[in-house]
Amino acid sequence: GESVGLHLPTLSVQEGDNSIINCAYSNSASDYFIWYKQESGKGPQFIIDIRSNMDKRQGQRVTVLLNKTVKHLSLQIAATQPGDSAVYFCAEKRPGGGADGLTFGKGTHLIIQP
Amino acid sequence: DAGVIQSPRHEVTEMGQEVTLRCKPISGHDYLFWYRQTMMRGLELLIYFNNNVPIDDSGMPEDRFSAKMPNASFSTLKIQPSEPRDSAVYFCASSPLWGQGPNNSPLHFGNGTRLTVT
Repeated sequence: GESVGLHLPTLSVQEGDNSIINCAYSNSASDYFIWYKQESGKGPQFIIDIRSNMDKRQGQRVTVLLNKTVKHLSLQIAATQPGDSAVYFCAEKRPGGGADGLTFGKGTHLIIQP
Repeated sequence: DAGVIQSPRHEVTEMGQEVTLRCKPISGHDYLFWYRQTMMRGLELLIYFNNNVPIDDSGMPEDRFSAKMPNASFSTLKIQPSEPRDSAVYFCASSPLWGQGPNNSPLHFGNGTRLTVT
């Protein structure tokens, strides 16, 4: 089954509101997590990453939270803008693995309402 | 920084034909990855290289698929013969650091090649 998944396939938010995209992972030993944004016709674009020794990391308008107790990852986007419309993927890296240890979720489609 | 460059952007070919996809990684990135993306299966790793050497090709679906990296700035993914089920978007990605510990750098993706095999 899917080791990295998303609670909602589609998320619709009002422009200016904050968005929260959730991701569940199954391997409690995973040590590195990445969030990607993919716009139509483009490749996944790196947004932010976090290592397992952290529980929070902030970037420009984005924050990633890692809750290892419940194996949950979230991406918070502040003051959502039309340009934030895209599919967002979380990726999880298992320890001891090479590139095959990186598993991508199916993605959440973020829709911005004007 | 030009990013990862892939060509062609679109490829339409007939079943049985040979297809070659090309990738130029970001300069200085020692790791190069080939992924395939479909609606049904999402992103799947096909193969990855470290310093031009293939490390893991277990994701390559069949012998019809082959990948090479003759130098640090160029890689190809070849499908011969192509089949309709190969239709997908193929992504190349690179990273300066990737390993078995938590000290990794994220993968940076190109904009992909959309392959359609009729």
